[in-house]
Amino acid sequence: SQQGEEDPQALSIQEGENATMNCSYKTSINNLQWYRQNSGRGLVHLILIRSNEREKHSGRLRVTLDTSKKSSSLLITASRAADTASYFCATGGETSGSRLTFGEGTQLTVNP
Amino acid sequence: EAGVAQSPRYKIIEKRQSVAFWCNPISGHATLYWYQQILGQGPKLLIQFQNNGVVDDSQLPKDRFSAERLKGVDSTLKIQPAKLEDSAVYLCASSLGRGWSSYNEQFFGPGTRLTVL
Repeated sequence: SQQGEEDPQALSIQEGENATMNCSYKTSINNLQWYRQNSGRGLVHLILIRSNEREKHSGRLRVTLDTSKKSSSLLITASRAADTASYFCATGGETSGSRLTFGEGTQLTVNP
Repeated sequence: EAGVAQSPRYKIIEKRQSVAFWCNPISGHATLYWYQQILGQGPKLLIQFQNNGVVDDSQLPKDRFSAERLKGVDSTLKIQPAKLEDSAVYLCASSLGRGWSSYNEQFFGPGTRLTVL
């Protein structure tokens, strides 16, 4: 069964707006990663946050992690049409080494 | 730096036939992964190699799926015989993989889209 569950399943916004996607998981983790997938570039790693971190930034991306609530959020600021893609959270469990368990993904559409 | 290479990109077969996929990871990456991604779902790990040894194959349907990484570099994934439900994209990924609890990011290939008729 999948570990992470993304919310919402689909999100449609206008260019320039911010997009927020959430991920919830069930078991303890040692890290959580976000990936983007589109038809042009396949599945690409965006950002990794460790279980002892609460927030991380990379360019227009901001990730938060709340281990007490077993949840994470990905914020994309000032979105662009090129951000249109599916976004997946993937969790690395404490006992599963470097195995990642992916969620079902959020389909983001940024309208120009 | 060259990325993860996979071939073929597309494959159409009839059920009960066999099929093989090939993956060449990024040079120097010790860990190699095969994932299955069914349309509308996230990738599911099938098997993970550290060099030429299997680290995790708990989700590999071993009655029909097999994989090898004989020299610790490239890898093949085989399905024999294929079923309709095997229709999916098969993704190969690699990471530096320094140790069991590595946090390394994974680099994915373009995938092979398999259609079983």
